[in-house]
Amino acid sequence: NAGVTQTPKFRVLKTGQSMTLLCAQDMNHEYMYWYRQDPGMGLRLIHYSVGEGTTAKGEVPDGYNVSRLKKQNFLLGLESAAPSQTSVYFCASRLAGGDKNIQYFGAGTRLSVL
Amino acid sequence: KNEVEQSPQNLTAQEGEFITINCSYSVGISALHWLQQHPGGGIVSLFMLSSGKKKHGRLIATINIQEKHSSLHITASHPRDSAVYICAVKYDYGGSQGNLIFGKGTKLSVKP
Repeated sequence: NAGVTQTPKFRVLKTGQSMTLLCAQDMNHEYMYWYRQDPGMGLRLIHYSVGEGTTAKGEVPDGYNVSRLKKQNFLLGLESAAPSQTSVYFCASRLAGGDKNIQYFGAGTRLSVL
Repeated sequence: KNEVEQSPQNLTAQEGEFITINCSYSVGISALHWLQQHPGGGIVSLFMLSSGKKKHGRLIATINIQEKHSSLHITASHPRDSAVYICAVKYDYGGSQGNLIFGKGTKLSVKP
């Protein structure tokens, strides 16, 4: 049972380059999230999705785009990377509703933008 | 702005010690989560609670809704407990979509 899988695990970009981070979950979860984690700060929500075909902005959405074309996949795109986007990115997913809102996290993607 | 405050930021303990990590929040919540981030970076959920106390092995989580405060206790600490412990809350207001607000984490190091 793979759970939540993030690819790639590491990436180095030059300023202005683009890339897509992939998150895949095999638990049939409705909700999916993209967070960034920076030193001295808590996890911050970038974008999230409550179901296939829907996305919404979180706390820090600028410079990122997302898509949820299939229920199991949530993609995070950086169209023109900036050094401020150097961070560790985590994807998470959960079931909808009630007491089933424990989030399951991927292993993270460490991104450096030079 | 809704905030989640954790204390202490860093904690060093000797193996076997009883450890307490604290979390406070500012407004009404519907649930509070404790998570553990391993030195390798992976994050796992330890507890989700909305009242009272939960226990799992050597870990105990308590919450006081009136005081807007939660504690995570580790009994008989062990070096393998060394990790960052993160508190997160689900605020109870319309439009929140059940999204979590995270504290900055408490870095625990348990020495043998």
